[in-house]
Amino acid sequence: SQQGEEDPQALSIQEGENATMNCSYKTSINNLQWYRQNSGRGLVHLILIRSNEREKHSGRLRVTLDTSKKSSSLLITASRAADTASYFCATDRGNTPLVFGKGTRLSVIA
Amino acid sequence: KAGVTQTPRYLIKTRGQQVTLSCSPISGHRSVSWYQQTPGQGLQFLFEYFSETQRNKGNFPGRFSGRQFSNSRSEMNVSTLELGDSALYLCASSINRDPGGGYTFGSGTRLTVV
Repeated sequence: SQQGEEDPQALSIQEGENATMNCSYKTSINNLQWYRQNSGRGLVHLILIRSNEREKHSGRLRVTLDTSKKSSSLLITASRAADTASYFCATDRGNTPLVFGKGTRLSVIA
Repeated sequence: KAGVTQTPRYLIKTRGQQVTLSCSPISGHRSVSWYQQTPGQGLQFLFEYFSETQRNKGNFPGRFSGRQFSNSRSEMNVSTLELGDSALYLCASSINRDPGGGYTFGSGTRLTVV
């Protein structure tokens, strides 16, 4: 079964706007990661946040983690058409496989 | 450095046949994991190999098997193919077993069973 559940399932925004995607999970975790997938291709690792961290930044990406609510959010600022992709959160509990959510499909309209 | 290489990229097979997919991890990466991606089920974990040993296995029938060689290259095999096995099969490599280092994924093998 999926550990993470992303919300919303699909998101459509204008270029230049910010995009926020949320992820909820069910059990305790060691790390939470976000990946991007362009249509039908492999996943690209974006950012990782550890369970003892609350916020992390990487370029236009900002990730927050609230372990008390078992949730995370991914914010992409000043979105571009090239950001159009599916975004997945994935969790692990140490030496266990990454478990992925079903993803959010982001469309950025130029 | 070269990324994760999966071959073939596309494959069409008939029900009842078997198929072997290959994954070459990044040089120096010893852990290889396989995932099946379908529109309905999303990304489902198949297996993880580390140092030629299967360390974890997902909830898939015995028709799905795999192995890892001494050079860390991995293969997965699906026997007696069913229509429902049509999917994108993704391989991911990491330096060690801790996924906290992030995975590097290949571009996948798109399997179509007809």
